[in-house]
Parts: sequence; C-alpha cells; structure tokens
Amino acid sequence: EAGVAQSPRYKIIEKRQSVAFWCNPISGHATLYWYQQILGQGPKLLIQFQNNGVVDDSQLPKDRFSAERLKGVDSTLKIQPAKLEDSAVYLCASSLDLGTENYGYTFGSGTRLTVV
Amino acid sequence: RKEVEQDPGPFNVPEGATVAFNCTYSNSASQSFFWYRQDCRKEPKLLMSVYSSGNEDGRFTAQLNRASQYISLLIRDSKLSDSATYLCVVNRLYRGTYKYIFGTGTRLKVLA
Repeated sequence: EAGVAQSPRYKIIEKRQSVAFWCNPISGHATLYWYQQILGQGPKLLIQFQNNGVVDDSQLPKDRFSAERLKGVDSTLKIQPAKLEDSAVYLCASSLDLGTENYGYTFGSGTRLTVV
Repeated sequence: RKEVEQDPGPFNVPEGATVAFNCTYSNSASQSFFWYRQDCRKEPKLLMSVYSSGNEDGRFTAQLNRASQYISLLIRDSKLSDSATYLCVVNRLYRGTYKYIFGTGTRLKVLA
C-alpha cells in the first residue's frame, strides 16, 4: 500500500515570498491533517479535513495560511506571505474513519521549510 | 495549559538502563492513547497503542491510568537505537471525526 505522499521535501524561500505544499493521502482515507512542527516541539494541528470539508482550522493563521482539498483527495497548503517564524516541518497525515473507529493514521515524510 | 503535557528531557541514560516517560492529558473525553517515536529529521511513527489494562511489546511497556489522566512508557534494557524523541498522543471525537493531539515529546539519548 502506498503511503502518504508529500512534496517538495525541502524548500528555502525569502520572507514575504509565497510557498505551496502538496499532499496525497492513502487511497480511501477520508480524513486529512496538516501539522506544523517547529524544531523541539510536537506537531501542531493546522487544519483537518474530512473529505473536502474543514473539520478544524482553529489554529490556522488565516491571514497568511490557506488550505484546500477540493475533490476530497489530495490537498495543498499555502503560505502567503511567509515569515521567518514559519520555518518548520509541515507534516501531512491521513486516516480512515469508520463510525466510531479510526484506522491507519499515517504521516507523510514532511516538507522542511526554511524562511530566510 | 497544554492538553497533553510531557517532560521534554533530554533523558541521557547508559545502555542497558531502564527509563520511564510520563505524560498527562487534560481532556477527560480523550478516547485513545498512543506513543509515537520520532527520529531526527523523520516523521513520527507509531510505537504502540496504550490500553487501560497495560500492554507490552518486547522491551516496551505502556500503561494508562484514566482516573489520573496519566500515560507512561517504560523501556527496559535500553539500546543505542532507542535514541529518539517519544511523543505522547491522545485522540478524541471532534465534530464527527477524530482529532489527534500531540505532546511536545521527550528526548531520549542512550549512551554507550
């Protein structure tokens, strides 16, 4: 079974530039999560989708971050404009929810963003 | 107060030692509990789920105390390859799906 695919693996941009990350979840996984992990901290949930609907975006800095999952499959996360403090690893995860059970929660390899 | 709290460490232990990590969670609606392992510059990977009855996987033992809202991980006979960050994770139902909340992680370094 193919895992969660993310691209690019690394990105270096200057502050105030824009950047976009892509995630393709495991086939059939309805729930998709984007996390931000700053060095030395645990992953922080930015946004969670179920199919193409947003379940939770309470910690997404909406003035500069946006995300979409238009067809309920792959997703993009965008930052515009980037700030130095956005330097982090952006992790995508997906899972299969069946009623009261949750299966197969798996992370992609992440995109390491450096803002200079 | 964070919903999941862990001691960030680092814990520096000699090979062969036994080491224990603790984690507390604040939301009593939390349903499932996990320990994840994260190696440097890698994504987190599931180490083990945590059950109320306690569970063991080789050298690793996990315990859950729902009354105290406390989770633990015990590693016996530490190996150099156990050096990593250990993340405590809880999940709970949220708006019809599952939300995973991560602790900050506890860094372990096993010394030769």
